[in-house]
Amino acid sequence: QQQVKQSPQSLIVQKGGISIINCAYENTAFDYFPWYQQFPGKGPALLIAIRPDVSEKKEGRFTISFNKSAKQFSLHIMDSQPGDSATYFCAARVRSGAGSYQLTFGKGTKLSVIP
Amino acid sequence: EAGVTQSPTHLIKTRGQQATLRCSPISGHTSVYWYQQALGLGLQFLLWYDEGEERNRGNFPPRFSGRQFPNYSSELNVNALELEDSALYLCASSSQVTDTQYFGPGTRLTVL
Repeated sequence: QQQVKQSPQSLIVQKGGISIINCAYENTAFDYFPWYQQFPGKGPALLIAIRPDVSEKKEGRFTISFNKSAKQFSLHIMDSQPGDSATYFCAARVRSGAGSYQLTFGKGTKLSVIP
Repeated sequence: EAGVTQSPTHLIKTRGQQATLRCSPISGHTSVYWYQQALGLGLQFLLWYDEGEERNRGNFPPRFSGRQFPNYSSELNVNALELEDSALYLCASSSQVTDTQYFGPGTRLTVL
């Protein structure tokens, strides 16, 4: 129930196209859904995040769509650029019994944007 | 503002040895989280330290341990290293105000 399932595992998109990465979860106690971007040799960096009371959040070319009833959320990257080539992780947060928030991560999607 | 720092960048050990990894959180952050990122497995939660105490641990054997110092920096120790411990070990920190986790660049541990 703590799992977050992410797809696809890898994605190749042409420059200017739309990249779409999907995640699904089971635990309805998750209360915050961040996306992280990781470049080779670097740690993950927070990209954008959404709470379940909102259906969509947009920041620049990045949009999260959230479907609470289906327990799914997705990241859309509009006008994809070669510089967006990275691994993207979705995550879900739940308050743990110890009083902190624990993140559960999807397994990641390696995005390659080709010129 | 300096980000989360980790040392060393790379660490090569042999089976059975012990490894010590270090993490310095962002100034003002009191919580430190450790994750293991093995190839194809995403990020697996290892340990959470806050205010010097271990608050939670993931599904890892006891040979994975650590501590948090009074200045909130943290150390991860892995005893009796096994080949499958080879991975990128990531440290993240957060404050009680934002609770967003900020990651360091990681330590690449290779066990031969």
